[in-house]
Amino acid sequence: DAGVIQSPRHEVTEMGQEVTLRCKPISGHDYLFWYRQTMMRGLELLIYFNNNVPIDDSGMPEDRFSAKMPNASFSTLKIQPSEPRDSAVYFCASSSGPRGLFFGSGTQLSVL
Amino acid sequence: SQQGEEDPQALSIQEGENATMNCSYKTSINNLQWYRQNSGRGLVHLILIRSNEREKHSGRLRVTLDTSKKSSSLLITASRAADTASYFCATEAMNRDDKIIFGKGTRLHILP
Repeated sequence: DAGVIQSPRHEVTEMGQEVTLRCKPISGHDYLFWYRQTMMRGLELLIYFNNNVPIDDSGMPEDRFSAKMPNASFSTLKIQPSEPRDSAVYFCASSSGPRGLFFGSGTQLSVL
Repeated sequence: SQQGEEDPQALSIQEGENATMNCSYKTSINNLQWYRQNSGRGLVHLILIRSNEREKHSGRLRVTLDTSKKSSSLLITASRAADTASYFCATEAMNRDDKIIFGKGTRLHILP
């Protein structure tokens, strides 16, 4: 298996634009997590899914953020409209039950 | 919100020495996990210790868990230059919601 795949690897956009981050979890994993990492706040859990169903989105900072998981092999995190304070590294991770998370390489987002 | 807090925030030691990092958390847990993150990369799962376990080993890694003190430690023996990375603890709280929350990490630098 290729592991968790995230795209794009880097995204530079202007304030106000829509940003869509993509994630393909490891086949067979039934949990998918979206995290955001910054120097100031560390790793923040944004939302996670179990069997494609959102379980907890209390970490989503604002209504500008939305996440979907239309099937077991794909998830998106969308920011609309984007703001400079959204600049961070966004990680997707998947797991199968109470075991370790497998992380993707992350998307480095810069909002100018 | 952060569940785990690592201590120290940064640590520099000579190659060959042992490195010890600590993690404290706030609520009862199902398990505690340790991860490593190399610069610019995703996190890699190192070891998971369940709430009913007190010590676990994996190669040069030794993890202890004291649930009465709500704390854990990660010991890396005979450190190598390749161990230079950030190390994070993560907890799965004992409330059946499967959330995995990370601390801010310890930056470990192994000096040649």
